[in-house]
This record gives sequence, structure tokens and C-alpha cells, in this order.
Amino acid sequence: DSGVTQTPKHLITATGQRVTLRCSPRSGDLSVYWYQQSLDQGLQFLIQYYNGEERAKGNILERFSAQQFPDLHSELNLSSLELGDSALYFCASSARQGGTEAFFGQGTRLTVV
Amino acid sequence: AQRVTQPEKLLSVFKGAPVELKCNYSYSGSPELFWYVQYSRQRLQLLLRHISRESIKGFTADLNKGETSFHLKKPFAQEEDSAMYYCALNARSQGNLIFGKGTKLSVKP
Repeated sequence: DSGVTQTPKHLITATGQRVTLRCSPRSGDLSVYWYQQSLDQGLQFLIQYYNGEERAKGNILERFSAQQFPDLHSELNLSSLELGDSALYFCASSARQGGTEAFFGQGTRLTVV
Repeated sequence: AQRVTQPEKLLSVFKGAPVELKCNYSYSGSPELFWYVQYSRQRLQLLLRHISRESIKGFTADLNKGETSFHLKKPFAQEEDSAMYYCALNARSQGNLIFGKGTKLSVKP
């Protein structure tokens, strides 16, 4: 157990819908990262937050957004879902800003039908 | 540009054979590199970090700055080593870990 908790574990939804994925980082970690893992694209960095502020942005679509709350948990919002958004979404946390050793959650498997 | 390249998508070896998973990086500065392992699309787990120079589950990796490589090696592969392996670079200026596309290791009996 890495200490990073993601909910839900599985999510099935229809095209056009909106979903929210939740991540609780390890106790004391200030940085949260979101990654998308699809079969053909590998592990893609989406966005990073540090102590409530957005610090780095990767290949995140405009239909996606995220935030980190004062208690340091983070949510990733995906809207106007398309079939191609089906993937594993991982959250990771680290103690420091700047991409040091990261601990991953077990992921949320999103299926868009 | 900061980049991590894992040239092999799939590596298949027999049990007991040596394994080398290749990783090359591009980074202007002193790199901090990691190897992560993922079993059956479960969570990614940290396997090695170059600064600690440790050996985990028989795996080692040496940073070669001249060749900009951080290859992962194991002298005798085991079936339980079958997994996806990701090389990652700490891109401090970008504030995140940059991952390679991963290499799937398959160890056959």
C-alpha cells in the first residue's frame, strides 16, 4: 500500500457525461500528480498541484480540469466524455514540488460507452 | 527538450537469462532518474532510484552520463519479473516526472 487512495476504482459512463475522480495523497505529501494511461499512449502526464496551486501542466485536454483542496486531496474532472477517454487514471503524490520520488495510487479505470 | 526513451516496447526472455531494459534520457542538467514497475496494470511501484545505487529484487541500474543512459539489468530473470517497466526522469524545471513509454518484460518458463 503506497498510502495514496483513489476513488472510485472503476467507473463506467456514457459519452457526453461528466465524471469526477478523487485522490487522497499520502499523509504529509503536498504534491499531487495526475496521469492517464491508455493502451496505445502509455503513461501521459496531465497536471500537477503543489499545496493547492497548479504547478505544471502536461497533455491535459480543455475538457478536463483538476483542483487541489485545502486538505490536499485532489479531484480530476472529465467532461463531455468521448470513447477515447477510456483509460486508467493514476494519481501520485510526493513530499516536495518538482517531480521527486512519487507514490502512485491504484488508479481509476474509466470506461466510456 | 527533456525526454525519456525506452526503445523496446516488448522484451521476451527465458527464465534464468540475463535481462537489460534500455533507457536513454535527454536533460540539460544533473539528472535524477528512477525505474518504476507495474504488474498487471496495477499501481506503479518505485523499483530503483539512481541516487541510492541499491539493488532491488536483483535489479540494478547505473547512470551513464556520457551515454545519457540508465539501463536496468538483472543477471537471471525470474517469471515473477514479468511486468511493465517505466524509466522516469525528474524534470525539476517542469515540476513533474517524465516517463518513457515503458517496456513490457515477459519471462518465459
